[in-house]
Amino acid sequence: DAKTTQPNSMESNEEEPVHLPCNHSTISGTDYIHWYRQLPSQGPEYVIHGLTSNVNNRMASLAIAEDRKSSTLILHRATLRDAAVYYCILRFDSNYQLIWGAGTKLIIKP
Amino acid sequence: DTGVSQNPRHKITKRGQNVTFRCDPISEHNRLYWYRQTLGQGPEFLTYFQNEAQLEKSRLLSDRFSAERPKGSFSTLEIQRTEQGDSAMYLCASSSRQENTEAFFGQGTRLTVV
Repeated sequence: DAKTTQPNSMESNEEEPVHLPCNHSTISGTDYIHWYRQLPSQGPEYVIHGLTSNVNNRMASLAIAEDRKSSTLILHRATLRDAAVYYCILRFDSNYQLIWGAGTKLIIKP
Repeated sequence: DTGVSQNPRHKITKRGQNVTFRCDPISEHNRLYWYRQTLGQGPEFLTYFQNEAQLEKSRLLSDRFSAERPKGSFSTLEIQRTEQGDSAMYLCASSSRQENTEAFFGQGTRLTVV
């Protein structure tokens, strides 16, 4: 299974943009890139996913490198409620059996 | 629909006892997943159901673990002869039959084995 590499933690100021990187150099052509986040004492929550093109939704944007070996989750204007652990995972087919790393703990400073 | 529901939220049990957790997925979702998560780590896949069929089991799922999904609705995860190493958060998720759609997670059941 392809793995992802993320920084252990990142800090950002409230109301500023946040760029969360993810490396996935062994990604295959059929792997989708998914991002989830987990608030303390909660189950993971879907954020966004994409295959090749950049994606936008109401929560975030996903920028995917041309060679697909890395991607960046962009929170355009971070709030205190965005403080969470963010996971980048690769998924093929319809299963969620791929390996989740330890994610990036995002700390938002007021 | 209130989302994925898991019961109980917390369970404390003595080593050697059996425990059973329940997951009620979103009603129209045919796919259901169980994960285990320990402190500071991401979720680890345990098993996957499509309707009532258990299609995938992780090697993490030892013989003491069993999961069922009768009638393709709710699911149960049973751990027999619990060990202290079983202490973790057990997460359930469900998704629709569409390819590469998002999964919805419950809030989990936190198991503490003493």
